[in-house]
Amino acid sequence: GEDVEQSLFLSVREGDSSVINCTYTDSSSTYLYWYKQEPGAGLQLLTYIFSNMDMKQDQRLTVLLNKKDKHLSLRIADTQTGDSAIYFCAESRAGNKLTFGGGTRVLVKP
Amino acid sequence: NAGVMQNPRHLVRRRGQEARLRCSPMKGHSHVYWYRQLPEEGLKFMVYLQKENIIDESGMPKERFSAEFPKEGPSILRIQQVVRGDSAAYFCASSAYRAREETQYFGPGTRLLVL
Repeated sequence: GEDVEQSLFLSVREGDSSVINCTYTDSSSTYLYWYKQEPGAGLQLLTYIFSNMDMKQDQRLTVLLNKKDKHLSLRIADTQTGDSAIYFCAESRAGNKLTFGGGTRVLVKP
Repeated sequence: NAGVMQNPRHLVRRRGQEARLRCSPMKGHSHVYWYRQLPEEGLKFMVYLQKENIIDESGMPKERFSAEFPKEGPSILRIQQVVRGDSAAYFCASSAYRAREETQYFGPGTRLLVL
């Protein structure tokens, strides 16, 4: 079956790096995603990685994928107070539904 | 290019009433997905539709819930005879489903409260 798991909470100081981790079980996943949700809002796509890639960098965001261990991480460099939100990882197979983790609540302290 | 539109943003219903949630996909997108988010939880897939077709409804409750995506107009998620447990945020996403371009983009959600 499909399962995606994340840690519940992360606290980080402004200016430090944040690392949010995610594990998944479906070895046939083709895409892995990171979404950001602010209170009362919808989901904002941050970045995604194709399953045959190891790493993807996009400005302050770095995604690392360890396919062997089915482990995905999102690193946010120079974390800002505006980065406080819930971060969801999700996986999908081609053209199909997304399976989400439970979300990691990130709190950035000044 | 407008994003995914959902309305209403907030909906209050009494137990036993019907709820209709609408979703207009991004321009050029022909694939629509509905997800439900219960309080303090992640999103759970409900149904995947293309124009006039239901592709995957494996996440839909067997009773009271239905979805459609007609040839013209928005996709509709319909909940009949709502109960308190239906209170949740319902999100719609759309995608273009071209090769290597199947990312789903989400609308702002409809927050349903059943009294």
